[in-house]
Amino acid sequence: AQKVTQAQTEISVVEKEDVTLDCVYETRDTTYYLFWYKQPPSGELVFLIRRNSFDEQNEISGRYSWNFQKSTSSFNFTITASQVVDSAVYFCALGNSKLTFGKGITLSVRP
Amino acid sequence: KAGVTQTPRYLIKTRGQQVTLSCSPISGHRSVSWYQQTPGQGLQFLFEYFSETQRNKGNFPGRFSGRQFSNSRSEMNVSTLELGDSALYLCASSFRDSVFEQFFGPGTRLTVL
Repeated sequence: AQKVTQAQTEISVVEKEDVTLDCVYETRDTTYYLFWYKQPPSGELVFLIRRNSFDEQNEISGRYSWNFQKSTSSFNFTITASQVVDSAVYFCALGNSKLTFGKGITLSVRP
Repeated sequence: KAGVTQTPRYLIKTRGQQVTLSCSPISGHRSVSWYQQTPGQGLQFLFEYFSETQRNKGNFPGRFSGRQFSNSRSEMNVSTLELGDSALYLCASSFRDSVFEQFFGPGTRLTVL
């Protein structure tokens, strides 16, 4: 069975702070994919990143960066210099044929 | 390019009734997946359709069913509604499959009384 754990449920930061969202996963598959999705207050999930299990390179996209470590089964997401518009629920997901989502982390960025 | 659309956006039903939700994927996308989102269970995968065939299924009872039409539009049906079926039902489309980048619709909020 696959499992995604997002231990942090709610995080509140002040604008311009850096924030890291943790994701730990469990799977017996050797090939799998990891994702982060964002769900703003409007409700529609927005794709942020997809990473396959053979690619442990970290990735940076603007203020967003992702750290994938197979040794610790973690795929953490960092937002640098957070902004109010980053306020949303962030989901980590895992799968190779169907997705298992974590419970999500509610991020509140205060002005 | 139009996004994923779902109809209706809100629905109120009573226990025992059945309901059909509709999803129109992004043009050119052949994979449509359905998810149930509740405060308690979070986001859970229901099923995925590709070219009118169910390709994957989650752990939901047989009361939950779906289908996909030749134009890739998809419907999901829930029969004999229970209070616990109250949820946000999300549809997502993808060019290839559910472990590719997915584009989500706004969801249908179903309330069962």
